[in-house]
Amino acid sequence: QVQLQESGPGLVKPSQTLSLTCTVSGDSISSGSYYWSWIRQPAGKGLEWIGLISTSGSTNYNPSLKSRVTISRDTSKNQISLKLSSVTAADTAMYYCARKRDGYRLGSWFDPWGQGTLVTVSS
Amino acid sequence: DIQMTQSPSSLSASVGDRVTITCRASQSISSFLNWYQQKPGKAPKLLIYAASTLQGGVPSRFSGSGSGTDFTLTISSLQPEDFATYYCQQSYSTPMYTFGQGTKLE
Repeated sequence: QVQLQESGPGLVKPSQTLSLTCTVSGDSISSGSYYWSWIRQPAGKGLEWIGLISTSGSTNYNPSLKSRVTISRDTSKNQISLKLSSVTAADTAMYYCARKRDGYRLGSWFDPWGQGTLVTVSS
Repeated sequence: DIQMTQSPSSLSASVGDRVTITCRASQSISSFLNWYQQKPGKAPKLLIYAASTLQGGVPSRFSGSGSGTDFTLTISSLQPEDFATYYCQQSYSTPMYTFGQGTKLE
């Protein structure tokens, strides 16, 4: 059974870089046909896709965040990481990692998700 | 970007009711539409993918339909554990994925 667990500082100062880690168990982030994504959700609001990394290490980002986002991986630890630079209060949110699966002629979906980690941007 | 609009934003219903939630895409997305359920304090859970395929373990009272721009999620007989917020998500414009704003079922 695949499990994802996010971790990282819960408080980040404005203008600094947010850094989170997602530890994956029950699956390998460097093999298979899945992708590993970050998605965030401000309190009381909807979901925003941030970006993803493939099993080969290629990345795609939401254009609205692309200039500030870096997603990387550590295959030895089976972890993916998110870095978001120059944060502001608008980046305060619950951050989730999720596995993305592609189905032939079926599109893509996110399953499962980690439990999420809350990041607050405040001085 | 493809915009996803859900209606209603909130819905009041009772146990046993048949409930329908609508999701409309700003352009045709074929059947590349997924539905998620999110309970307070929890991560979203995949219910339906490809517009109408039930994810394993999801009760059969949930169903999805639609193609093109208009989609529906139906709960045939509402159960107490179904009170949650529901989100649609398109995967047509890969790799840019967008979600609806959510429908809170209360």
